[in-house]
Amino acid sequence: QKEVEQNSGPLSVPEGAIASLNCTYSDRGSQSFFWYRQYSGKSPELIMSIYSNGDKEDGRFTAQLNKASQYVSLLIRDSQPSDSATYLCAVNIDQFYFGTGTSLTVIP
Amino acid sequence: ETGVTQTPRHLVMGMTNKKSLKCEQHLGHNAMYWYKQSAKKPLELMFVYNFKEQTENNSVPSRFSPECPNSSHLFLHLHTLQPEDSALYLCASGTGVNTEAFFGQGTRLTVV
Repeated sequence: QKEVEQNSGPLSVPEGAIASLNCTYSDRGSQSFFWYRQYSGKSPELIMSIYSNGDKEDGRFTAQLNKASQYVSLLIRDSQPSDSATYLCAVNIDQFYFGTGTSLTVIP
Repeated sequence: ETGVTQTPRHLVMGMTNKKSLKCEQHLGHNAMYWYKQSAKKPLELMFVYNFKEQTENNSVPSRFSPECPNSSHLFLHLHTLQPEDSALYLCASGTGVNTEAFFGQGTRLTVV
């Protein structure tokens, strides 16, 4: 069974801190990984995609992939209150498999 | 603005009604998806279409009927729904395996 696991949280960090979100997946054949942000009542918005081991940085966001350990993480530096949302991890193998999401609150 | 447009944004329907949700994508993608998102639950994949052909049906009740007339349009026809079908219905499009998917704004459905 192909599964994507996330800590549901909630995760709270103070403004300006680093938020760390983690995700593990079960299928070793997975090749593509994505992080989506979903504000309450809104649809998921793609914020990062990563395909190779290592780090990928985009502004305040860094995605980290370790295929040997089957985990992918998202770091948000200098967290802002506007980052408060649910973050969904997804893996695309033969179709998209989503985690349950981690709720992040950034406290001003 | 996502390039994937869903209508209507909100829908309230009775259990005996028939309604349709519409999704349109302007991204040139060949894959389109319907997802259901209920409160406090993860996204549930309902249907997948690749090049207008249905490639996935995740044991969805027959009161949900998808239609994909072309690669840019996707419909979800609804009839005799139950209150537990109330949820956010999301359409997404992509270029297939190993690529990202982009979501529409969703339709908030309430069945009364």
